[in-house]
Amino acid sequence: SQTIHQWPATLVQPVGSPLSLECTVEGTSNPNLYWYRQAAGRGLQLLFYSVGIGQISSEVPQNLSASRPQDRQFILSSKKLLLSDSGFYLCAWSRGGFAFFGQGTRLTVV
Amino acid sequence: RKEVEQDPGPFNVPEGATVAFNCTYSNSASQSFFWYRQDCRKEPKLLMSVYSSGNEDGRFTAQLNRASQYISLLIRDSKLSDSATYLCVVTYGGSQGNLIFGKGTKLSVKP
Repeated sequence: SQTIHQWPATLVQPVGSPLSLECTVEGTSNPNLYWYRQAAGRGLQLLFYSVGIGQISSEVPQNLSASRPQDRQFILSSKKLLLSDSGFYLCAWSRGGFAFFGQGTRLTVV
Repeated sequence: RKEVEQDPGPFNVPEGATVAFNCTYSNSASQSFFWYRQDCRKEPKLLMSVYSSGNEDGRFTAQLNRASQYISLLIRDSKLSDSATYLCVVTYGGSQGNLIFGKGTKLSVKP
């Protein structure tokens, strides 16, 4: 069966610090991978998606970046966090329209 | 016009009530349709797919109207545990990796 792992579950980081969130998928190959952000009480905002290794599409200009070094690994990064980067970050994979989410990382930038 | 639109709610209903949500989509080339449920501070989880012929899963019924470009979710005999945000998802062979999420409709079932 397919599983998706995302960590850490919670993170508190100071403004200006770097960020690295990792997501891995097991039990499937060549999945579409996504990073979403959800501000408190708001909808899902698509940040990045990837249809293959090294293929990253950015939906929203920001100080975040994403990389896909392996087929089932998706990484979200920032060199310098801003207060506005606080939120609930969700990694997901999809196939045939069905999407499965990791448990999310709740990031608070202080 | 947004690609997928939902009434954000909240829909406040008593236990046992029947409640329905709609979701409209703008791209007539949309291919697949789904409803997801998201509990507070949790990740979204697939609730059910939506087919043109309509489909039912217990107290939940989903419908697709391609002509009018909307999907619906009907919940009968609402339970307290149904309180959540319901997201509609549309897929098509375009950008955004094929998945377009609505912003969700919040449902609160009261005793």
